[in-house]
Amino acid sequence: QVQLQESGPGLVKPSGTLSLTCAVSGGSISSSNWWSWTRQPPGKGLEWIGEMYHSGTTNYNPSLKSRVSISVDKSKNQFSLKLSSVTAADTAVYYCARRDATGWFDPWGQGTLVTVSS
Amino acid sequence: DIQMTQSPSSLSASVGDRVTITCRASQSISTFVNWYQQKPGKAPKLLIYAASSLQSGVPSRFSGSGSGTDFTLTISSLQREDFATYYCQQSYTSTWTFGQGTKVEIK
Repeated sequence: QVQLQESGPGLVKPSGTLSLTCAVSGGSISSSNWWSWTRQPPGKGLEWIGEMYHSGTTNYNPSLKSRVSISVDKSKNQFSLKLSSVTAADTAVYYCARRDATGWFDPWGQGTLVTVSS
Repeated sequence: DIQMTQSPSSLSASVGDRVTITCRASQSISTFVNWYQQKPGKAPKLLIYAASSLQSGVPSRFSGSGSGTDFTLTISSLQREDFATYYCQQSYTSTWTFGQGTKVEIK
């Protein structure tokens, strides 16, 4: 079955750019699904960040749209998140997930904590 | 954006209890609601999709219902492994949003 695994730096400096990658195994990133990012600040709820279809079509949360970029690397079967101009408010566990065409997220990666601090 | 409001925010229950969690949408969303379970330090897990369809491998004590603006997740007989936080999510519009979560604790 499809599995996802996030990777990337656990510490980012304020005003810098957060960069994470999600490796997809057990299935092709070119399948008829969307590939998404969601985050969860410590002790808080879930916030959807954005997603990409393998064709390159993207869909971003309007609240983050000016700072977010999601891309896909079909050759490596992975997709990536970049979030620019980060502040402490961007400290969170970041999850990648596959989104079904009808809107639910399954499966999810295990998540990776990113802390924004100098 | 569609706001999803869960109630209660937390509840205490005993093993064997019937538990009901409610999720209200800020506008009518037909049956475009999904439910997730999250245990501490773990990723969310899909339980119910399209308001009432049980995800493969999820125990039948979990069920979902509702349409329009009001939805419920019911655990018919709470088990020890069900103590977790539960989230609803709307999939009606493509700015996907989640409820704030309901934490189910041991009484």
